[in-house]
Amino acid sequence: DTEVTQTPKHLVMGMTNKKSLKCEQHMGHRAMYWYKQKAKKPPELMFVYSYEKLSINESVPSRFSPECPNSSLLNLHLHALQPEDSALYLCASSQNLAGAYNEQFFGPGTRLTVL
Amino acid sequence: KQEVTQIPAALSVPEGENLVLNCSFTDSAIYNLQWFRQDPGKGLTSLLLIQSSQREQTSGRLNASLDKSSGRSTLYIAASQPGDSATYLCAVIYNQGGKLIFGQGTELSVKP
Repeated sequence: DTEVTQTPKHLVMGMTNKKSLKCEQHMGHRAMYWYKQKAKKPPELMFVYSYEKLSINESVPSRFSPECPNSSLLNLHLHALQPEDSALYLCASSQNLAGAYNEQFFGPGTRLTVL
Repeated sequence: KQEVTQIPAALSVPEGENLVLNCSFTDSAIYNLQWFRQDPGKGLTSLLLIQSSQREQTSGRLNASLDKSSGRSTLYIAASQPGDSATYLCAVIYNQGGKLIFGQGTELSVKP
């Protein structure tokens, strides 16, 4: 299994809702990432987990809350989002953070719309 | 400031042409450089990763080169096909555990 899966594919939520995005990989990778991508722009890093510990938080607002319950799973909990948070949310994984093992593999993304 | 630039922003070529996509970075002290393709509305597909100690990598019709001294990488696509149409992104990591810094991408269209 060489893929990263993400659910749901699409999500529409109101500004008062609480929802979660899920990412899973079964490649034995120990680094996992969340990115946000707006239309016609490159992805922007949000969070990095290394060996289930938060390694990088790119000053993301607290309405986004990441969680890494085990080495295969990464969640992004969403609460009180704003319309400008509408974007494609991408998950990625790599073997670890060192050298060639840092090659990142991306999932298909979750298209989020905040009304 | 560490920046990655890709030129051109868009490129249209007839099928069968060989083509080169360019990526430049402001700081030559890179750790890794990775090339991706992205189809509209989809995730990124990793094409090639070049470590700082390497000069090139090849995969099928793709060849990526790295010249750290000039701060440049090129992605060469041989015998282009309509299925190669996508946005190609170059991304650089400057240190172990650091984040990918992306260029703005080159949108490639290969016409039948």
